[in-house]
Amino acid sequence: EAQVTQNPRYLITVTGKKLTVTCSQNMNHEYMSWYRQDPGLGLRQIYYSMNVEVTDKGDVPEGYKVSRKEKRNFPLILESPSPNQTSLYFCASTSEGLNTGELFFGEGSRLTVL
Amino acid sequence: RKEVEQDPGPFNVPEGATVAFNCTYSNSASQSFFWYRQDCRKEPKLLMSVYSSGNEDGRFTAQLNRASQYISLLIRDSKLSDSATYLCVEYAGTYKYIFGTGTRLKVLA
Repeated sequence: EAQVTQNPRYLITVTGKKLTVTCSQNMNHEYMSWYRQDPGLGLRQIYYSMNVEVTDKGDVPEGYKVSRKEKRNFPLILESPSPNQTSLYFCASTSEGLNTGELFFGEGSRLTVL
Repeated sequence: RKEVEQDPGPFNVPEGATVAFNCTYSNSASQSFFWYRQDCRKEPKLLMSVYSSGNEDGRFTAQLNRASQYISLLIRDSKLSDSATYLCVEYAGTYKYIFGTGTRLKVLA
């Protein structure tokens, strides 16, 4: 089954404790992206990657890191989480070859930083 | 000015009603637009693409008005299961997707 898988789905952590949210897709998509969604603000892009070893900042990259060592994986790293990073996070992927422009989303990771 | 603007709602409509949402965008060069549906606390899923000539899929019709820079979504014969948030998405090219904040629809029995 074609899918984007995120882990963990739910996490409560404390300020300053490094964490990683993993994202994996099995559709051989070259493009992957991370978004955060907050009430009243909609989906905001954190980082994106157009292919292996190619990453770039989105609209709200502060406090986050990413890496793209393999095509299928695009982890999101919070080196020192702060309460303002409490949010719902989505990973998404797509391919230019699809022609539909459809973004495929993971199920989301709800993060709470105390 | 926000790039993609939507009325947040909620739109409360009775079952069987017809409801329409609009979404305005600011980049006149954008070529592609989409409507995504998002259920509470779940991931967005593509509902339909929006073509210049309009696009109809069952009870759903999407239209693009380039002159006024807005897209619309019309839902006929609303069902309880249509209750969700509808996200307007502008594709500005080179993988740049711009999301609206969403319009919340509640269909009431």
